[in-house]
Amino acid sequence: DIQMTQSPSSLSASVGDRVTITCRASQSISTYLNWYQQKPGKAPKLLIYAASSLQNEFPSRFSGSGSGTDFTLTISSLQPEDFATYYCQQSDSIPFTFGPGSKVDIK
Amino acid sequence: VQLVESGGGLIQPGGSLRLSCAASGSTVSSNYMSWVRQAPGKGLEWVSILYSGGTTYYADSVRGRFTISRNNSKNTLYLQMNSLRVEDTAVYYCARDSKGDDTFDIWGQGTMVTVSS
Repeated sequence: DIQMTQSPSSLSASVGDRVTITCRASQSISTYLNWYQQKPGKAPKLLIYAASSLQNEFPSRFSGSGSGTDFTLTISSLQPEDFATYYCQQSDSIPFTFGPGSKVDIK
Repeated sequence: VQLVESGGGLIQPGGSLRLSCAASGSTVSSNYMSWVRQAPGKGLEWVSILYSGGTTYYADSVRGRFTISRNNSKNTLYLQMNSLRVEDTAVYYCARDSKGDDTFDIWGQGTMVTVSS
């Protein structure tokens, strides 16, 4: 199975900050990497797919990059509605696996 | 497009439960459909997938105990869960992959399954 790790596991940031979350796969997954945003008590939402393609409902301050084993999710200017937990997920092979999550909260 | 799960509840270890996921605005049979679960306070765990062609896959943790299926006439996805264990306690989400690339682009609201004596 492909193991996914994320860092940091949590971070505190202020509105307007630039935030970067990294995700690493235990083996190469090309660009079969997706990011999800989850707010408390809610279902996850697909945020970025294929490593760098932004899902329509999300603004352009979100971006993703990377290939192979190392990936990054960047929020260019954090907004109040962005405080949430972010998960990466590999879609390269079954079993599909998620990272442990990165919680972004208010400083 | 909407997915609505139902069927969760409190069940004793060793018991069985069937979850349902009713779809509207999209067709279950023409999409890849998955179940993903989240234990209380924990991360996301993929459970099972049913491809449009009928092929199914399971996580090791549930293989042999859970069965994914669909009813095309009811446009509903199911998860039959047998021999339930305490560690199966979680919110169960159904999720649709409309791109055909194993991403989950639409999620239901989830249904809670609690396995406890």
